[in-house]
Amino acid sequence: RKEVEQDPGPFNVPEGATVAFNCTYSNSASQSFFWYRQDCRKEPKLLMSVYSSGNEDGRFTAQLNRASQYISLLIRDSKLSDSATYLCVVKGSNYQLIWGAGTKLIIKP
Amino acid sequence: GAGVSQSPSNKVTEKGKDVELRCDPISGHTALYWYRQSLGQGLEFLIYFQGNSAPDKSGLPSDRFSAERTGGSVSTLTIQRTQQEDSAVYLCASSWKRDPDTQYFGPGTRLTVL
Repeated sequence: RKEVEQDPGPFNVPEGATVAFNCTYSNSASQSFFWYRQDCRKEPKLLMSVYSSGNEDGRFTAQLNRASQYISLLIRDSKLSDSATYLCVVKGSNYQLIWGAGTKLIIKP
Repeated sequence: GAGVSQSPSNKVTEKGKDVELRCDPISGHTALYWYRQSLGQGLEFLIYFQGNSAPDKSGLPSDRFSAERTGGSVSTLTIQRTQQEDSAVYLCASSWKRDPDTQYFGPGTRLTVL
């Protein structure tokens, strides 16, 4: 089993819709969680950290479920510019970040 | 300010040749990471430098891979006797000591081994 697993997608979503995807992690000792965004042939960029209480940044909401060991990302009122691959990242018991393979999102007009 | 820079942006080499990839982190960032990303895959950790501490080389896939960081700044990743399976995008990231979890990535070097 991979340490961080994501549905690769692609998720094809009409513009304006709400979309959500999850990421599961295997190490129950993991302390920090993040969502990065990666555009095609570009480098990853931090989208948001995921806090225990959940957090919201505009149209984006991230949630953490420690009991079931997953994090989620919800995007409301999706825009064409949201099309990208979303990478789930988990920090283990040391400094290393463990990266999921990403979920590809395609927003269609 | 300037971000993380990497060079070359693209490198095509023949199997068996050595290659050097360069990373120039953001000024003041003490941590530097090398990753590689194969097509459609997540990032694979290779090596980590933090200040003057000994680097964590636990992610290097074989002894053909090595990396240096001179003067706590620029880093060079060297791949000796390249193989076709080394073809990937090699990404460098740096982070600030006070915010180690926010990594800033360079644009990557796309390596193709023929």
